[in-house]
This record gives sequence, structure tokens and C-alpha cells, in this order.
Amino acid sequence: QVQMQESGPGLVKPSQTLSLTCTVSGGSINSGGYYWYWIRQLPGKGLEWIGYIHFTGPTDYNPSLKSRVTVSVDTSNNQFSLELRSVTAADTAVYYCARGAYYHGSGPLFDSWGQGTLVTVSS
Amino acid sequence: AIQLTQSPSSLSASVGDRVTITCRASQGISSALAWYQQKPGKAPKLLIYDASTLETGVSSRFSGSGSGTDFSLTISSLQPEDLATYYCQQFDTYPPLTFGQGTRLEIK
Repeated sequence: QVQMQESGPGLVKPSQTLSLTCTVSGGSINSGGYYWYWIRQLPGKGLEWIGYIHFTGPTDYNPSLKSRVTVSVDTSNNQFSLELRSVTAADTAVYYCARGAYYHGSGPLFDSWGQGTLVTVSS
Repeated sequence: AIQLTQSPSSLSASVGDRVTITCRASQGISSALAWYQQKPGKAPKLLIYDASTLETGVSSRFSGSGSGTDFSLTISSLQPEDLATYYCQQFDTYPPLTFGQGTRLEIK
């Protein structure tokens, strides 16, 4: 059973860069059939997809965030990371990492999630 | 981007009730829809995919139906542990992947 855990600062100042890491255990991030995602939940709101990476390198990002986001992977440590630049208070959210799977060609479906980490943007 | 609109945004029901939540897509998405359950303070959990296929290990009290633009999630007999917010997600056209705004289910 794959487990995922987010880590990083809980408080970031406006205009700075939010950096989070997701550590994957119980399975390899090199598993070819999966994509590794960042998703956030704004306070009192629904879920917003941020971006993903495949262990071979391909990435894609939500167009609304694309100019500020980078997702990278560290296969040697079984981790992947999120950088969100030039943050504002509107980026305050619970950030989740999740595994995107394809079931018989359908997907991505998010079948494993981290517990989530609250990041507050404030001076 | 495809927008998903869930209704109601919240509801309250009694143990044993049959509960239905709907999700409407802004354009046709075939059967490319999933449902998630998020209990308070927890990460979402996949319940249903392809509109009606139950994820392994999920209670058969949950069922999904629909195709095209109109979908529903039904709980056949509400249990106390079903207290949660439920989200739909489309995977027909992306980026961006999109989610509904959520339906908060309370137990009377």
C-alpha cells in the first residue's frame, strides 16, 4: 500500500516561493503506470489541480497557475516536489500530493493521497 | 475548462435514508467521471470511477450512474460514517482536470 507524505514550511511570506516535497513509501515512484500530482484545497472551497509529473520527466500544469509552478521529481529519494512562485494570500490552502492512476485506460484517478499540509501566505 | 456543478451544496439526512447527489458537466464527458469522499480533516478517497464502477473495497451502499452531462451518486442506506463532503471529478478533457465544488452531507 503506497503512502504519501507532504513536507515543507507552513508559513510563506507574500511574493516568496512555496516549496513542498512529497515522499512516497511502500511503492516506487518509478512505476511507469502512475503520474504524481499536486492538488490544493482553498479554504472552504473545492479541489484544484495544480500539476503533475511522470518519473521520466513529462509535466503539465493547470493553465491558471502555469506561469508560477514547477513540479520536479527525485527518483533516488522517491520524492517529488512543488514550487509555486510569487505567492499571495490567495494561495493559502491545504496542499495535497496524490498518485494518479489509470484503470483500464480510464483516468487519471487519484487512488492514494497524502494527508495534506496547510500552507498560509502571510507576512 | 469543463465545469462541474454539484447539487445540492449541502444536505442533511437521517440514518437509513437514501441519499442522491448530482453532478452536471458543462459539456458532454461520456462516462469519464469519478466520485470522491472526503471525511473531516482527511484526504479524499476514491469511491467510483467511469461514472458507475465501484472502487475495490468501497461499500456496495454507494452507487453511481449517468453519462454525457448528468451524473449522480447514491447512498442506498445512510450510515453515520458517511458524514463527509463528496466531490465529482472529470477526466474526459484536460488540462485542466476539474472537480465539482463539493456536497457536504450531514447526519440528522
